[in-house]
Amino acid sequence: TQLLEQSPQFLSIQEGENLTVYCNSSSVFSSLQWYRQEPGEGPVLLVTVVTGGEVKKLKRLTFQFGDARKDSSLHITAAQPGDTGLYLCAGAKGNTGKLIFGQGTTLQVKP
Amino acid sequence: DAGVIQSPRHEVTEMGQEVTLRCKPISGHNSLFWYRQTMMRGLELLIYFNNNVPIDDSGMPEDRFSAKMPNASFSTLKIQPSEPRDSAVYFCASSFDAGTVSNQPQHFGDGTRLSIL
Repeated sequence: TQLLEQSPQFLSIQEGENLTVYCNSSSVFSSLQWYRQEPGEGPVLLVTVVTGGEVKKLKRLTFQFGDARKDSSLHITAAQPGDTGLYLCAGAKGNTGKLIFGQGTTLQVKP
Repeated sequence: DAGVIQSPRHEVTEMGQEVTLRCKPISGHNSLFWYRQTMMRGLELLIYFNNNVPIDDSGMPEDRFSAKMPNASFSTLKIQPSEPRDSAVYFCASSFDAGTVSNQPQHFGDGTRLSIL
């Protein structure tokens, strides 16, 4: 059972376009993390959101945690080829330290 | 600072052979995680340790898989006997105090790409 559903699974866009990636669940999470993974490497943390409704910005990336802490979104403004990669959301439940990862969204930004 | 170090980076072996994957976590981190990543199933948690003690091994596929953490700076994931369906990228990650604070970031190694022929 996949507790975290990411959409879309694949996205290919031109440089300069905007995009949004969604991470949805029927479960409540105590926090949610977004990671980015490049080929041949491990995932690298981008951001952690903890409070329902929280919005965090990282340069051209905007992350939002849903009010009910069941879903999250990642919006990229004016995408660059360097944004290409696999984006993963991961939810934490309670204080177990255990993360549940979504299937990921593969983003390709063409110059 | 050195990140999480995994070895080997690539392993190709025949089915039935024993495979041992190794991980050195970031110094000072007391939580260690083993994951498996495939196209079909994504990134799955196999087992995690807190202060060298296994806390949750519910993701370990079957008895052919075992993991140990003899000390704070070393962990192994062993598959014996290996099967073609075990082919995947195996990641090790570490974090600080993941057992008590839920939003600690996990730092991943670059993985071991395992192919079982």
